[in-house]
Amino acid sequence: GIQVEQSPPDLILQEGANSTLRCNFSDSVNNLQWFHQNPWGQLINLFYIPSGTKQNGRLSATTVATERYSLLYISSSQTTDSGVYFCAVGTGNTPLVFGKGTRLSVIA
Amino acid sequence: SQTIHQWPATLVQPVGSPLSLECTVEGTSNPNLYWYRQAAGRGLQLLFYSVGIGQISSEVPQNLSASRPQDRQFILSSKKLLLSDSGFYLCAWSLHQRSEQFFGPGTRLTVL
Repeated sequence: GIQVEQSPPDLILQEGANSTLRCNFSDSVNNLQWFHQNPWGQLINLFYIPSGTKQNGRLSATTVATERYSLLYISSSQTTDSGVYFCAVGTGNTPLVFGKGTRLSVIA
Repeated sequence: SQTIHQWPATLVQPVGSPLSLECTVEGTSNPNLYWYRQAAGRGLQLLFYSVGIGQISSEVPQNLSASRPQDRQFILSSKKLLLSDSGFYLCAWSLHQRSEQFFGPGTRLTVL
């Protein structure tokens, strides 16, 4: 099946810093999502982005499907951005496959 | 708008006891439904998914089973819990496999 690798596994930032999270996948995809899991466990949808670029406030994402990667940008990070960020991909009619996540800690 | 509910929110059960976790979706018809487990750490493991009433696909062999008795209801069950069944169980829905997937609030299960 498709493989999903996220990097870095852990990231510590000072409040106000910018960061880039990466998701590499091993096959063509027709579904790609970014999620944020907050400290209470809730998975929050950030982007549905099988290709192209989207922006939502301080967050933006780019997927280059032909090169099999996606990037999540966080600008001017805040302590509330802390948590685990997951990339999940789908191919054909298969369910989403999740990466292992990037654990982000933003320090005031 | 669509909403997804899970209950209970937390559960502590002894080893060998049965389990029933429920997930319901409101505001949509014939959704795809999914059960995931997240053990200590970070990964999400897909357990079961369903594309319609009575249609269940199992992703991994385990001590659990799933049922879909109604269009918008998905139930995760076990006859006898094991210590290794402890974890955070998440239900999710989507319109179809390629569309955006949305998660419920989860059930935190501790087996003692």
